[in-house]
Amino acid sequence: GAVVSQHPSRVICKSGTSVKIECRSLDFQATTMFWYRQFPKKSLMLMATSNEGSKATYEQGVEKDKFLINHASLTLSTLTVTSAHPEDSSFYICSASPHRGPPSGANVLTFGAGSRLTVL
Amino acid sequence: LAKTTQPISMDSYEGQEVNITCSHNNIATNDYITWYQQFPSQGPRFIIQGYKTKVTNEVASLFIPADRKSSTLSLPRVSLSDTAVYYCLVGDRGGGFKTIFGAGTRLFVKA
Repeated sequence: GAVVSQHPSRVICKSGTSVKIECRSLDFQATTMFWYRQFPKKSLMLMATSNEGSKATYEQGVEKDKFLINHASLTLSTLTVTSAHPEDSSFYICSASPHRGPPSGANVLTFGAGSRLTVL
Repeated sequence: LAKTTQPISMDSYEGQEVNITCSHNNIATNDYITWYQQFPSQGPRFIIQGYKTKVTNEVASLFIPADRKSSTLSLPRVSLSDTAVYYCLVGDRGGGFKTIFGAGTRLFVKA
């Protein structure tokens, strides 16, 4: 089945540094990937849609200069949290769909295992 | 994207059947209903998807009435390992692949 790998699974950094999280589709090509963040005991919040070869589309309220997204290839999207602060500490999850063109069903996403960011 | 409403939490005992109902009154003609499961500190995992009537796989069943304004995820004979958050999502590809999560239902299975 479709597999999405996310790395690192955990990262601790000092305030003011930047952290990069990678999301890879291992056995399929993903034109579009999605980035979510999740606070404890809360639901996933969509941050942005990552489009291969073009700029990401950010959800309202998400700072694009703070959360840099690059989707340089059909199998890799990266999220860089720039100048991280303690309030950026969260669980970040990426997802992708292997489907292209008219589906037999709706879009079914495969999610990465998530990356827990702790900013000291 | 159609909004969904689910119970915030549910408790059950091992071996029981659990039914989680999701309301989606504004579901559109092209919308499918998809359920995901999420364990703590993990990404969500696809459980089942349906459009109408009943769908069954090795993990669960999904019951969808004729008006499609609600759906029920049925987990047969739950075990402790089924303790997780279950999300009901409604949508199609027309929304640009966006998948917006509601609050989900936190299922706690007790011994």
